[in-house]
Amino acid sequence: DTAVSQTPKYLVTQMGNDKSIKCEQNLGHDTMYWYKQDSKKFLKIMFSYNNKELIINETVPNRFSPKSPDKAHLNLHINSLELGDSAVYFCASSQSWGTGRSWEQYFGPGTRLTVT
Amino acid sequence: KQEVTQIPAALSVPEGENLVLNCSFTDSAIYNLQWFRQDPGKGLTSLLLIQSSQREQTSGRLNASLDKSSGRSTLYIAASQPGDSATYLCAVVGYGNKLVFGAGTILRVKS
Repeated sequence: DTAVSQTPKYLVTQMGNDKSIKCEQNLGHDTMYWYKQDSKKFLKIMFSYNNKELIINETVPNRFSPKSPDKAHLNLHINSLELGDSAVYFCASSQSWGTGRSWEQYFGPGTRLTVT
Repeated sequence: KQEVTQIPAALSVPEGENLVLNCSFTDSAIYNLQWFRQDPGKGLTSLLLIQSSQREQTSGRLNASLDKSSGRSTLYIAASQPGDSATYLCAVVGYGNKLVFGAGTILRVKS
């Protein structure tokens, strides 16, 4: 039973298109995240949501819009795709995010996006 | 701004060797530090999590230490096996539970 799942696993599309990546967690966690792993394998946070509210937005272009319909889902919608958006996108979740302590994050399998 | 550095970038060892992976970070105001493993084309698997108040954690053949004051962590792998071959990532956790990753160490264990 997969804890954090993402769809699709692979996504190939052309420049200028709009696409979405879906993420679901069945761990009962309150907080979800999106990370981007670029071609050099460097992982960087993009967004985090706690109970459907935005917590972190790491100066990501506004072509990227996360949407959290409920606390078990955090989808990533990307408008007007560019070549530089090609990367692996990882979703993660944690029980909470509260200040004063930290919470272990669990990662999904990733979505490899290729923009041609 | 937190920066995380991992040394070495790549490591190739014969099976059975004990090895040490290093991680350093610039801002000691962290909540915890996590070590992950990433296999090619796969997601991240959490190996060990050390809270900022702890000095080390152990799981099987893995031992991770944390020296917050000096901004360093090490991951010790005992009696390495070919199945340990993967990329090992160090990440520190700051405000908002945000993970800041190093670039990783690519480990190859030869049989």
